[in-house]
Amino acid sequence: DGGITQSPKYLFRKEGQNVTLSCEQNLNHDAMYWYRQDPGQGLRLIYYSQIVNDFQKGDIAEGYSVSREKKESFPLTVTSAQKNPTAFYLCASSPPGPTYNEQFFGPGTRLTVL
Amino acid sequence: SQQGEEDPQALSIQEGENATMNCSYKTSINNLQWYRQNSGRGLVHLILIRSNEREKHSGRLRVTLDTSKKSSSLLITASRAADTASYFCATDAGTGGFKTIFGAGTRLFVKA
Repeated sequence: DGGITQSPKYLFRKEGQNVTLSCEQNLNHDAMYWYRQDPGQGLRLIYYSQIVNDFQKGDIAEGYSVSREKKESFPLTVTSAQKNPTAFYLCASSPPGPTYNEQFFGPGTRLTVL
Repeated sequence: SQQGEEDPQALSIQEGENATMNCSYKTSINNLQWYRQNSGRGLVHLILIRSNEREKHSGRLRVTLDTSKKSSSLLITASRAADTASYFCATDAGTGGFKTIFGAGTRLFVKA
């Protein structure tokens, strides 16, 4: 089955700890994205990557870091510098093309800071 | 500020009725998309309409786009309880590339 997987589904973190959220896709998509969603809100873009070894900051990149060493993988690290990390995190990918395409989303990771 | 803003924020209807959700945006766009999100899940793509299109259909979904008013609407006909979800519009904000801007969504509740 083709798709996007995120792990873990639920994650608990103590204040001051870094945590890494996994995102893997086997859709052969070039572009991948990380979004943050707060309760009752829309999605806000954290980082996106158009190709391997390249990524760009989104609107709320402070306190987050990413890597794109493989086409299939785009892990997100939530660092201790992120002041309010409790949220629902969504990873997405989109196929290549000259213009914007639909995005395919993973099931999400819910991060809670204790 | 958000590019897309949905209206209403919440909508409650009876099964069988039609549901209409609106989206307004600020800058020019190349295309606009609608997504659906069931509670606690990822988003699912519903439909994409390009800036040179005025109307598009997919099953029980009808999307219109008015670029002069910078607005779009999503109509779900003959709604079902299973349509209960949040619906988001998303635009490329004219970047033509990879950055997408989502609205805050309309929460639809369909009563059986």
